[in-house]
Amino acid sequence: EAQVTQNPRYLITVTGKKLTVTCSQNMNHEYMSWYRQDPGLGLRQIYYSMNVEVTDKGDVPEGYKVSRKEKRNFPLILESPSPNQTSLYFCASSWVNQPQHFGDGTRLSIL
Amino acid sequence: GENVEQHPSTLSVQEGDSAVIKCTYSDSASNYFPWYKQELGKRPQLIIDIRSNVGEKKDQRIAVTLNKTAKHFSLHITETQPEDSAVYFCAANMDSNYQLIWGAGTKLIIKP
Repeated sequence: EAQVTQNPRYLITVTGKKLTVTCSQNMNHEYMSWYRQDPGLGLRQIYYSMNVEVTDKGDVPEGYKVSRKEKRNFPLILESPSPNQTSLYFCASSWVNQPQHFGDGTRLSIL
Repeated sequence: GENVEQHPSTLSVQEGDSAVIKCTYSDSASNYFPWYKQELGKRPQLIIDIRSNVGEKKDQRIAVTLNKTAKHFSLHITETQPEDSAVYFCAANMDSNYQLIWGAGTKLIIKP
């Protein structure tokens, strides 16, 4: 089954404790992206990747890192999480200019 | 850079009536315009998309129209049903780097 898998689905952690949210897709898509979604603010792009070893900043990259060492994986790293990064995060993948497939989301709470 | 504006932010319609959501974009080079539906607590899912070589596309009760000259595209839902209640997002691509630029979303409420 074609899918985008995010882990964990829920995480409560504390300020400053490094965390990684994994994202994996099994459709051989070139394009992968991370979004955060806050109430009333819609989807805001954090980082995206057009292919292996090619990543670029989206609209709200501060405080986040990503890597794309393999085509299927695109982890989101919060080196020193802060409470303002409490949000719902979505990973998505697609072929270029084709519909994006979203993961089920990761709800992060930073205390 | 590219900007996508979406209106209205909230739309309340009577069950059975039609709903229309409009988006405008700024980059005349944009050529791909998807619409996504997001139900509460779930992921966004594509409901329909259109490319710039087509003026209209229809799928059962859902249609999208594109006016390239005016740089706007609209989602039309006819005979609305309770399950149409959700947040709807439009988006437009940036042809230069294939990034999707998203509208802010429209909360559609279907009144029984």
